[in-house]
Amino acid sequence: EIVLTQSPGTLSLSPGERATLSCRASQSVSSTYLAWYQQKPGQAPRLLIYAISSRATGIPDRFSGSGSGTDFTLTISRLEPEDFAVYYCQQYDTSLTFGGGTKVEIK
Amino acid sequence: QLQLQESGPGLVKPSETLALTCTVSGGSISSSSYYWGWIRQPPGKGLEWIGSIYYTGSTYYNPSLKSRVSISIDTSTNHFSLKLSSVTAADAAVYYCARAAGSYYPHDFDYWGQGSLVTVSS
Repeated sequence: EIVLTQSPGTLSLSPGERATLSCRASQSVSSTYLAWYQQKPGQAPRLLIYAISSRATGIPDRFSGSGSGTDFTLTISRLEPEDFAVYYCQQYDTSLTFGGGTKVEIK
Repeated sequence: QLQLQESGPGLVKPSETLALTCTVSGGSISSSSYYWGWIRQPPGKGLEWIGSIYYTGSTYYNPSLKSRVSISIDTSTNHFSLKLSSVTAADAAVYYCARAAGSYYPHDFDYWGQGSLVTVSS
């Protein structure tokens, strides 16, 4: 099983700042089989990024994904008030697993 | 607009079988481009994939749950179902159904239901 470790656990930032979230895999994720989700309290997760760097339908371009192998990054270029939430990475190379999540909170 | 809706008992007794159904509207469950899956989230915790099914009935399951899980699909009524046997308190969670891109293997989940809270208690 590929274990995904997300860091930091919590990121405290102000609106307008840049957020950089990390997702590290226990073994190499082949091809482009990694996605990112946003989840707000009481809501289902929402797909943000698939295939490492492709934005899902309707996702603003302030969200971007990058990385390869075992290290992946979700970047939010300028935080909007609605971006404060929990973010999960997911791999679909070997079985399907999710990371433990990073909470982006208002500083 | 595709919509998914979970339904089923909100309370299950320990050692019994949890059964949930996901009804898909606004699109066909028989599409060759997608898998249909179940993901769960214990209160205050992260996401765990349970398993996914293709319209042909082909399934993939989380290895850690495989011995207790069964997912089925009914293309005539556009719904798919989850059964999880021998439940314990550790199975208490919000259960989501979702659509996954992919024709040979489930990938990312682009549409989700609102979630169904299942409590395990006698």
